Amino acid sequence: ELKVEQNPLFLSMQEGKNYTIYCNYSTTSDRLYWYRQDPGKSLESLFVLLSNGAVKQEGRLMASLDTKARLSTLHITAAVHDLSATYFCAPRNNNAGNMLTFGGGTRLMVKP
Amino acid sequence: EAGVAQSPRYKIIEKRQSVAFWCNPISGHATLYWYQQILGQGPKLLIQFQNNGVVDDSQLPKDRFSAERLKGVDSTLKIQPAKLEDSAVYLCASSLVSAEQFFGPGTRLTVL
Repeated sequence: ELKVEQNPLFLSMQEGKNYTIYCNYSTTSDRLYWYRQDPGKSLESLFVLLSNGAVKQEGRLMASLDTKARLSTLHITAAVHDLSATYFCAPRNNNAGNMLTFGGGTRLMVKP
Repeated sequence: EAGVAQSPRYKIIEKRQSVAFWCNPISGHATLYWYQQILGQGPKLLIQFQNNGVVDDSQLPKDRFSAERLKGVDSTLKIQPAKLEDSAVYLCASSLVSAEQFFGPGTRLTVL
């Protein structure tokens, strides 16, 4: 059974600061997604990481994947208030079609 | 391109009552998913369809939950009878086979 652990669960940071969210998973996975969720809203896809060493960047967010360590990171550079949201990682289960297992989420609050 | 549609957006019922949710996936998406998201947690997959067949329903509480996708397009998820712990947001997602999942706005269910 694929288990996913994110940390931290809650992150409060000042604008302009950098921080990293970590996503560890328990069994091999061939791809991993990062989603963003605003309060009361649905999930918005941010990144899909398809191979070991994959790195993707969009604006102030950069995601990476280390399949050997079963670890993905989401790095925030020079945070702004608009990045306040909950971020979920979701590796795909190799043995179950296109099934994703979501982490518990990291709630990010960026203070002006 | 129209996104995943869900209705209703909100539903309040009393315990032991029945409720049904409807989902219309993105046109052409063969795979449809129903997730349950309890407040403060990540989404949990309940059932996955490919066309009108069930791929995975291992986490669906089958004593009270049922889902169908009779014509391989729209889907309904039913709970009968509802319990207090069923209070959650029910998210529908769709994808091409083995591809990125796109999520609908969700139905927020409150069981009193």
